[in-house]
Amino acid sequence: DQQVKQNSPSLSVQEGRISILNCDYTNSMFDYFLWYKKYPAEGPTFLISISSIKDKNEDGRFTVFLNKSAKHLSLHIVPSQPGDSAVYFCAASGVSGNTPLVFGKGTRLSVIA
Amino acid sequence: GAGVSQSPSNKVTEKGKDVELRCDPISGHTALYWYRQSLGQGLEFLIYFQGNSAPDKSGLPSDRFSAERTGGSVSTLTIQRTQQEDSAVYLCASSLVFGNEQFFGPGTRLTVL
Repeated sequence: DQQVKQNSPSLSVQEGRISILNCDYTNSMFDYFLWYKKYPAEGPTFLISISSIKDKNEDGRFTVFLNKSAKHLSLHIVPSQPGDSAVYFCAASGVSGNTPLVFGKGTRLSVIA
Repeated sequence: GAGVSQSPSNKVTEKGKDVELRCDPISGHTALYWYRQSLGQGLEFLIYFQGNSAPDKSGLPSDRFSAERTGGSVSTLTIQRTQQEDSAVYLCASSLVFGNEQFFGPGTRLTVL
């Protein structure tokens, strides 16, 4: 029973365009959401997070949107760059981060020059 | 070192043998987490430590898996009588306190023949 779902295993986007990575969750107790980025042979690195009291958080080219009623969040990268090519994991936790993170299966983003 | 380190980076073992995986967290981080990523899967949470204590061991896949942490620092994950389904990348992460941003190590790729 997957509590965090990333239904697209892969995504290809042209350089300069917008990349949109989606994530759905089923546990209504989740209130803190994170995106991690992973390059091959490296551990995941934290990218951006959002608390359930907000519906948007922006950091440079990266914006995370949260739709609590739909239990859906998305990561927007604009403009996409070849260096953004990686696997992106969505993660969630409950009680403002005081439970272990639950990760999705990841989406492999390829940004084509 | 500045980041989380794990050893060995790769481990090939025969079915039935025991293996020990080591994690050195970032100095001063009180929380430490173990995850594994099987082929085509997301990060599966295994266990976390607050200091030297592991409050929740329910994520460990079977009683062949155990973990300990000593001195609030280094942690070892031990898998006894390894099986082929144990083949995965085992990732360790640490955070300053539980619930904060987690910093991941590069992982140990375990292959059980």
